[in-house]
Amino acid sequence: DVKVTQSSRYLVKRTGEKVFLECVQDMDHENMFWYRQDPGLGLRLIYFSYDVKMKEKGDIPEGYSVSREKKERFSLILESASTNQTSMYLCATRTATNYGYTFGSGTRLTVV
Amino acid sequence: AQSVTQPDIHITVSEGASLELRCNYSYGATPYLFWYVQSPGQGLQLLLKYFSGDTLVQGIKGFEAEFKRSQSSFNLRKPSVHWSDAAEYFCAVGEGLTGGGNKLTFGTGTQLKVEL
Repeated sequence: DVKVTQSSRYLVKRTGEKVFLECVQDMDHENMFWYRQDPGLGLRLIYFSYDVKMKEKGDIPEGYSVSREKKERFSLILESASTNQTSMYLCATRTATNYGYTFGSGTRLTVV
Repeated sequence: AQSVTQPDIHITVSEGASLELRCNYSYGATPYLFWYVQSPGQGLQLLLKYFSGDTLVQGIKGFEAEFKRSQSSFNLRKPSVHWSDAAEYFCAVGEGLTGGGNKLTFGTGTQLKVEL
């Protein structure tokens, strides 16, 4: 089974802090994605990567950046956390030839 | 741009009753369509997907969905709901990406409550 591991289940950070959310997958998938999930808004795509060192903006990239130095790891960075970034963050992976996504369990981030 | 509408925010059904969750999509080409389920505190699990061919697709946990191009719909059904089906359900449409792969656009979700 594919495993997608997000380093933290719950995180509390202060406004203005730089925050790193880590996602690691163990199945050599090319594509990796970061979504945020908010009640009533569903999942919205922040950034994605279809290869190492490649990144593309999703629908709501403002306030975020990403890093993919190795194929198995995709990091989401909040350069200066703000309270409106309090949310559930979900990482997902898929192969280029298989449309099924595998999701991590999510990181619930609270910015105070 | 593609979009997905799930018109029902909350649905309550009795255990053993049938279920239908609605999903309408907007997409210019032949869509790739998905249903995911999310239990509390968990990530999303794929229930079923439609790419082409038979418009009635079977998934896990006894769920099925029917693609209707004329109605731009992909409704999820289950003949008899179990208490363990209580969860949030998301419909999604896939769009091909330059460089390979695709990205999913999700609906806002339908929260299912099951009464015993």
